[in-house]
Amino acid sequence: AQSVTQLGSHVSVSEGALVLLRCNYSSSVPPYLFWYVQYPNQGLQLLLKYTSAATLVKGINGFEAEFKKSETSFHLTKPSAHMSDAAEYFCAVSGGNTGFQKLVFGTGTRLLVSP
Amino acid sequence: EPEVTQTPSHQVTQMGQEVILRCVPISNHLYFYWYRQILGQKVEFLVSFYNNEISEKSEIFDDQFSVERPDGSNFTLKIRSTKLEDSAMYFCASQGQGYEQYFGPGTRLTVT
Repeated sequence: AQSVTQLGSHVSVSEGALVLLRCNYSSSVPPYLFWYVQYPNQGLQLLLKYTSAATLVKGINGFEAEFKKSETSFHLTKPSAHMSDAAEYFCAVSGGNTGFQKLVFGTGTRLLVSP
Repeated sequence: EPEVTQTPSHQVTQMGQEVILRCVPISNHLYFYWYRQILGQKVEFLVSFYNNEISEKSEIFDDQFSVERPDGSNFTLKIRSTKLEDSAMYFCASQGQGYEQYFGPGTRLTVT
């Protein structure tokens, strides 16, 4: 079984500051990990994914995440926040090595960016 | 760029009525999913569908729910007799040969 914990339901940063959104996972099999972003009244857009290749994964919009097996973490970072980054971010895990698996989502973190 | 589409964007129905939510997955994708998100809560898995049959379903997906791929392009979720607690945003997702799932914009279902 898989589960995801996202620490912090809300994270506030200033424009230009570092963004760090935390995600810890639990999985009984080697996990595949994903970050999705949801803008208000929109669907989920894939930011990046980890599927057992490079542990540092780069995604869209300048985001990246690092898979750390020893810490069971997959934190999302961006060096410099932009106002347009304000959204809800979801970390998700699947036991992906069998081709297709359901995604198990965390509770989400709302990123607030102030000028 | 191919995308998943869903109709309607918003559906209002009375308790006890049947609703059908429609999705058009990306055309060469093989795996299909429904998820739901109750307002303010996390996204929850409902059901996965492959090769014209259900692969996995959650405990939420009881006998009131059904899925179908009637014509090789559409993928539908039917709720036979809606309850107030079915009010949520319903997302369809499709997956190709890669491991990522692509989500549609969602259907907001309001049961009154």
